[in-house]
Amino acid sequence: AQKITQTQPGMFVQEKEAVTLDCTYDTSDPSYGLFWYKQPSSGEMIFLIYQGSYDQQNATEGRYSLNFQKARKSANLVISASQLGDSAMYFCAMREPPEAGGFKTIFGAGTRLFVKA
Amino acid sequence: NAGVTQTPKFQVLKTGQSMTLQCAQDMNHNSMYWYRQDPGMGLRLIYYSASEGTTDKGEVPNGYNVSRLNKREFSLRLESAAPSQTSVYFCASSSSGQPNTEAFFGQGTRLTVV
Repeated sequence: AQKITQTQPGMFVQEKEAVTLDCTYDTSDPSYGLFWYKQPSSGEMIFLIYQGSYDQQNATEGRYSLNFQKARKSANLVISASQLGDSAMYFCAMREPPEAGGFKTIFGAGTRLFVKA
Repeated sequence: NAGVTQTPKFQVLKTGQSMTLQCAQDMNHNSMYWYRQDPGMGLRLIYYSASEGTTDKGEVPNGYNVSRLNKREFSLRLESAAPSQTSVYFCASSSSGQPNTEAFFGQGTRLTVV
């Protein structure tokens, strides 16, 4: 069965510094997709970044990058130059492969990030 | 650009009451989903609809039913609410089931069952 683990319930980072949010996953499928979502205090879920299991390069989107280590089954989110507006809950998620339907996306428990001024 | 719209945003029910959560998307997406979010547990999939006319169970379907009314709308029904169903419910949609298509979420419905 697929599983996502986020071991950091809360993280603090100083404004303008970089921070890494950890995510490990478990799957026996060779094909899968990994996502990170941000949930600010207002409650909405905001898509940040995607990494495919066959992608050779780490995904990047602006200040967000994904440190994808396939052999270790980790997909850590790196936020560079943290801003106060980055304070939020962050979820790592994995979608099952197309062969299995490709519809179920499972989420980790989340990491709450606090950015200090 | 509305995206995914859920109604209501807040609801309080008494144990045993029924209600339907409504969800509509205007992005012409094929797939729609219902999740519940509980503290410390992330989001868990209740039901999903891969395409119009199909629905399937997710991780935690017990106590819920769904209807994919048309391509735009996907409703979640609680027939007899229980305190264990107190949660925040999210509807989401995606263009397909391919791994590289992200899901777009509604604003959530905060449901309290007393």
